[in-house]
Amino acid sequence: GAVVSQHPSRVICKSGTSVKIECRSLDFQATTMFWYRQFPKKSLMLMATSNEGSKATYEQGVEKDKFLINHASLTLSTLTVTSAHPEDSSFYICSASDAGAGGNTIYFGEGSWLTVV
Amino acid sequence: RKEVEQDPGPFNVPEGATVAFNCTYSNSASQSFFWYRQDCRKEPKLLMSVYSSGNEDGRFTAQLNRASQYISLLIRDSKLSDSATYLCVAYNFNKFYFGSGTKLNVKP
Repeated sequence: GAVVSQHPSRVICKSGTSVKIECRSLDFQATTMFWYRQFPKKSLMLMATSNEGSKATYEQGVEKDKFLINHASLTLSTLTVTSAHPEDSSFYICSASDAGAGGNTIYFGEGSWLTVV
Repeated sequence: RKEVEQDPGPFNVPEGATVAFNCTYSNSASQSFFWYRQDCRKEPKLLMSVYSSGNEDGRFTAQLNRASQYISLLIRDSKLSDSATYLCVAYNFNKFYFGSGTKLNVKP
């Protein structure tokens, strides 16, 4: 079946540095990818919708200058957490919509644990 | 009001029990619905789609009630391995809205 790969699975960075997380659709073209954040024992919160070749659409309250999203190809979207701070420590998950399956089938990456120290 | 609301639980049930979760959605224009399962510290995985006519997959049955705007998931003959958080999802205008999840603990 369709696979979405996310990398890195775990990352620890120093406060003030930037971290890039990659999300790849391995066997289908993803015109739309989604980025979520999940704090412990909380629900998934949609951060932004990433459309190939255009600017991402951010949800209310998400700083677009802090969470940079690039979706340069149909198989790759990246999320860069700029000037990370300890409160940015969270589980970040991407998902991709399979355009070939009508667009309403969604597959998740394995998630990335970010710890900012 | 949240797009999708679920009882967070936890639901603590013995092995072999039948357990049901409900989920309500606020936007009557929502097009598709799904149940996802999320294990602790893992990504969500699709359990089943939910169709208006109701659908069954083994021990799992999903129902959609558009008039009342809720969906349900029924698990029969619960197994220890069913312990997880179950997320209700509504798809609406190219966005997926997740409920906060219902935690299920199946005890021996």
